[in-house]
Amino acid sequence: KAGVTQTPRYLIKTRGQQVTLSCSPISGHRSVSWYQQTPGQGLQFLFEYFSETQRNKGNFPGRFSGRQFSNSRSEMNVSTLELGDSALYLCASSLTTDRAYEQYFGPGTRLTVT
Amino acid sequence: DQQVKQNSPSLSVQEGRISILNCDYTNSMFDYFLWYKKYPAEGPTFLISISSIKDKNEDGRFTVFLNKSAKHLSLHIVPSQPGDSAVYFCAASAFRRSGNTPLVFGKGTRLSVIA
Repeated sequence: KAGVTQTPRYLIKTRGQQVTLSCSPISGHRSVSWYQQTPGQGLQFLFEYFSETQRNKGNFPGRFSGRQFSNSRSEMNVSTLELGDSALYLCASSLTTDRAYEQYFGPGTRLTVT
Repeated sequence: DQQVKQNSPSLSVQEGRISILNCDYTNSMFDYFLWYKKYPAEGPTFLISISSIKDKNEDGRFTVFLNKSAKHLSLHIVPSQPGDSAVYFCAASAFRRSGNTPLVFGKGTRLSVIA
């Protein structure tokens, strides 16, 4: 079974631009979560989607948004990029919300903001 | 407010010996705990988990111990192998009727297994 895939793997943007990252979960997984990993803060939860609905949201500004499609694929968008948004963005999928504990991660998208 | 803490940023262990990685939590509502391993340029890989109704869970070379009264868990790797060298993250979640809370991660411990 194919794992979680994320595109693109690497991205360089300039301040003020916006960016869209994509995540395809493991087949059959309906829950998708997004995390930001930075050296100083570790993995921080951004949001979680289940059946196209945002179920949880982390403590990030409104510039960070996401959505989930009917095929469970998910996108996250960051508008008005800031230097501090440079990070590894990880997507994770899980089978159902009942088993949301065990999340399976993709390789991440490395975003660099210059 | 860091709810999940891994106080050792790094740990070095000789091949064949035991590696013990520690994790502390502050939120008494957490009832499920997980360990993930992360290699550079890859996403975290699920290793092992434990429910708060247990105090030990074992899977091959990996054992997780949970001490609820101390709000402490540990991951034991025996015997340690060079391929175990990675960053290990502890994570926690709480059950709610509306669904489980998002995973809260510690900042990780970098394990180096020396041949």
